[in-house]
Amino acid sequence: DAGVTQSPTHLIKTRGQQVTLRCSPKSGHDTVSWYQQALGQGPQFIFQYYEEEERQRGNFPDRFSGHQFPNYSSELNVNALLLGDSALYLCASRPDGAVISTDTQYFGPGTRLTVL
Amino acid sequence: AQKVTQAQTEISVVEKEDVTLDCVYETRDTTYYLFWYKQPPSGELVFLIRRNSFDEQNEISGRYSWNFQKSTSSFNFTITASQVVDSAVYFCALSGPINAGNNRKLIWGLGTSLGVNP
Repeated sequence: DAGVTQSPTHLIKTRGQQVTLRCSPKSGHDTVSWYQQALGQGPQFIFQYYEEEERQRGNFPDRFSGHQFPNYSSELNVNALLLGDSALYLCASRPDGAVISTDTQYFGPGTRLTVL
Repeated sequence: AQKVTQAQTEISVVEKEDVTLDCVYETRDTTYYLFWYKQPPSGELVFLIRRNSFDEQNEISGRYSWNFQKSTSSFNFTITASQVVDSAVYFCALSGPINAGNNRKLIWGLGTSLGVNP
């Protein structure tokens, strides 16, 4: 059973460019969340997708957008990249349902984005 | 407001030593969940444990043990007989309040970097 997978592993972009990161959730999971983790910091919640809609959003600008596909995979798009967007971007998945049973999220290995 | 504090930024121990990672949290919720995640150098966050706020029983899993004390709002993590492979950043997290969509998001501590030297 494959866990959460993310691509690419590493990415280097320049300021002003746009980037798309991809995530495939763990089998049986239909809820996907994205996190940004700057060096030496804890993960910061970006947003969560369920049933192809953004269900919850953290404190991130509109430059950060996402999408979820019918197969539950997800994309994170960042436009007009800034130097400060350099970070590890983590995708996490869990099955939907009652909050009590599904607070546990499983994380992918992350995509390391460097903005020059 | 919800908050998680991991006061220890870095800990360095020698193999086979026991080590305790501290976690103190703040919340006004009566029902909440606490988590510990391990992040090895590869970057992937590995789930270790989830604890329900109503269950204060300590838990042991192999060399890992967790001490949840509601009276002091702490959820400490102890590794017994540490090994080099335990070297990682460890995060404590708290499930935030339920929003209108009946979902919670995790509130994370800043992590404790544990180095276990041979």
